[in-house]
Formats: sequence, structure tokens, C-alpha cells
Amino acid sequence: LAKTTQPISMDSYEGQEVNITCSHNNIATNDYITWYQQFPSQGPRFIIQGYKTKVTNEVASLFIPADRKSSTLSLPRVSLSDTAVYYCLVGGGNKLVFGAGTILRVKS
Amino acid sequence: KAGVTQTPRYLIKTRGQQVTLSCSPISGHRSVSWYQQTPGQGLQFLFEYFSETQRNKGNFPGRFSGRQFSNSRSEMNVSTLELGDSALYLCASTGWGGVISGANVLTFGAGSRLTVL
Repeated sequence: LAKTTQPISMDSYEGQEVNITCSHNNIATNDYITWYQQFPSQGPRFIIQGYKTKVTNEVASLFIPADRKSSTLSLPRVSLSDTAVYYCLVGGGNKLVFGAGTILRVKS
Repeated sequence: KAGVTQTPRYLIKTRGQQVTLSCSPISGHRSVSWYQQTPGQGLQFLFEYFSETQRNKGNFPGRFSGRQFSNSRSEMNVSTLELGDSALYLCASTGWGGVISGANVLTFGAGSRLTVL
């Protein structure tokens, strides 16, 4: 079963790039890596998903090395509204494993 | 289109009681999955229903059960409530393939916050 490890918290300032890494050493061949953002009193919201190499969308980039044992979510030029908890999710079926989440605090 | 709707948003129960939570998925989504979120254990997968059948189940006791109706709406039931069942219960819906395919994106509702006294 893939176990994921993320930093508990990170601090940043507005306008900076933030990189959050998730470790998933036991990732299976057919597992995807998905990142979600959660604000207080809300459900998690999809940010980005990838399988290998690099994926970019309008809000973030996801870097996955060749061995796929980790992944890095990159948020360019964060703002105060990016203060939230970020989760990485690995797997599918009954082996959905969420990371414990990284609290990102963006300061002005 | 409308998102995932969960009711009720907040509820308080006492130990030994039972509770039923409801989830209406995005129109056209046939998969509904349930999650428990607590400060200590984080987000944990409970089970998934796809076309009215439970297809996947996490590691929770039998007191946690669910069902799905023909319109894809789902209910989750917890019987004989314990203090440790206090949590935010989230449901998510997804399209083709359901949760089995890790490639599917989950759309979560806002959750039902259960407090057990």
C-alpha cells in the first residue's frame, strides 16, 4: 500500500513560488498522483494530476521524476488566497491513500 | 453545472445513536465515494458506490455502511455512534470508471460535520 509523506507546514510570502514535495516510495505501476487543495469548512478541490514527467495547468505544475517515488507540486507566485491545506493522493480502487496534508501559510 | 451536495452540513448526536448522511453527486456521475476526515487520522477512504453497488471499501468497521439509489444519490449510515466517530464526512463523485481508476478526478462536497457527545 502506497504511503505518502508530506511536510506538515510551509510558510511563504506573496509573489513567491512554492514547491511542496510528496514522497510515495511504494507507488504502484498504475497509480496516478493527484493534488488537492482544501480550505476550512470545505471539501478538497482538484488542483492537478499526473503520472510521470511534468504536467502544467493554469494554476500549478506537477513534477514527477522517472522513479515516481516522489512528486512536487509547484505553485507560481502565490497570493494570500492560496493559504490552505494541500494533499497529495496516490492510487485508486480501495487503496486510495491521502497524504497528511501540508498547511501552506502565505504572508503579505 | 451543480456540484456535489451533502446534507446535513452539521449535526450533533449522542453515543449509541445512529446517523444517516446524504450525498447528491454531480449529474451524470455514477460513482460516489465517502471519506472520513479527522485531525488525528487525516482523510481516510470509507467506501465507494458505483451504479448502486459497493465496489470498494476501506478499513472501517461494519458500523459504517452505505447505499446508492438509482439516481446515483448516496447515503452513509453510522450505527452505534462512538465519540471517535466525530469527524467531517466528505463525499465525492467522479465519472467513468469510478475510484478504481486513480486517474479519475474526485469532486468533493462541502462535507457533513458530525459531533458525537
